[in-house]
Formats: sequence, C-alpha cells, structure tokens
Amino acid sequence: AQSVTQPDIHITVSEGASLELRCNYSYGATPYLFWYVQSPGQGLQLLLKYFSGDTLVQGIKGFEAEFKRSQSSFNLRKPSVHWSDAAEYFCAVVGYQAGTALIFGKGTTLSVSS
Amino acid sequence: EAGVAQSPRYKIIEKRQSVAFWCNPISGHATLYWYQQILGQGPKLLIQFQNNGVVDDSQLPKDRFSAERLKGVDSTLKIQPAKLEDSAVYLCASSFQGASNYGYTFGSGTRLTVV
Repeated sequence: AQSVTQPDIHITVSEGASLELRCNYSYGATPYLFWYVQSPGQGLQLLLKYFSGDTLVQGIKGFEAEFKRSQSSFNLRKPSVHWSDAAEYFCAVVGYQAGTALIFGKGTTLSVSS
Repeated sequence: EAGVAQSPRYKIIEKRQSVAFWCNPISGHATLYWYQQILGQGPKLLIQFQNNGVVDDSQLPKDRFSAERLKGVDSTLKIQPAKLEDSAVYLCASSFQGASNYGYTFGSGTRLTVV
C-alpha cells in the first residue's frame, strides 16, 4: 500500500532562514505527489504538485520541492522563511489501492522564531 | 470558481447523539471524498464517491458512519451514535482527474466536538 512519511513532527526556524521539510513515500511506480499547508482553523491549501517531468517543482508563496526517485523523497524547501509561514505542512501521494484519494503524511508543524 | 462548501462549520454534540455534515463540491467534479482529521494528525480518507457510486469505503466505520451522494452532486456524512473519539475535523474534497493532471480542492471542514 502507498504511504507517506514525514519524519519531523515539529521544526522551528528563524525568520529569514532557509527551510527544508522532509517527505518520503512508498510506491512502486512514479507517484503523484503533493504538498499542502494548513493554518490554524483553516482548510488545506495546495502549495505544489508533481506528476512528471522536471523534478524541481515551483509552487506558491516561494516554495519549491524536488522529487528524488532514488531516495523516494519529495522534500519541500523555501530559501527565506517569513513569520506567516508558521503552519502545519502535509505531504500527500495519490493512492491507487481502489480509488484516487490522496494519502497524507502525519504532518510537520513549522514554528518561526523572530 | 466557487470552492467546496461545507456546513456546519462547528458542531458540539453529546456522545450517543447523531450528527450530519453536508458538502457541496465544485461544479463538474465527479469525484468526492470525505476525510477525518484528528487533532495533530493528517487527514484520513473515510469514503470516496465517483458520481453517486462508492469507490472506496474501506476505512469507514460502517457500524456508526454512513454517507451518501444522491444525484452525484451534494453529499452527506452521518454519524450515529457518536463516540468521544469521533471528535475531529471532517473535510470534504472534490477532484477532477485527467490523463496527467489531478486537482483536489478541499472545503474548510466541519469541526465536531463530542462531549
């Protein structure tokens, strides 16, 4: 079965510093991968997605992610974090067990210190 | 384009009571999903509909949860009777799937508190 692992439960980054959130997936073929952000009390907002092609994907709010098949990873990066980036981040993969639902990781909480 | 609409936004009920949530997906989206998100965890799929048929309900606790999507548009999710562990945010999402493009849109969710 497809699965997603986000190894870091909580990360704290200083404002202006760079950020990398880790995501590992298990899937035999080329996966469809997503990163979502969820602010407190808000819904899920799509940051970026990867289906095929260029392994470096650009998203909204200055985020990017790199697909590395050899490492089964899809890490999210941002060169300079803003205080407003503090939120919960979820990596997800399209599951193919029965339907096409997204399978989510447990999430990484990002705190930004001044 | 209008988003995925969900109601109510919040609901507080006592255990053993029943509750229902409503979802209106994006127009033209054939696929609809219900997820349960417990505090501090990622969303977990409960059920997936394709038009008005069920594609996957393997993780739906069928002894207490039920869902329907009449006419392939709106959907309702019901819990009867509710347990304390059902306290969570219930998210509805809809999607289109093309040959090489998947787009999922999530509603703001219904926050259920069972006391």
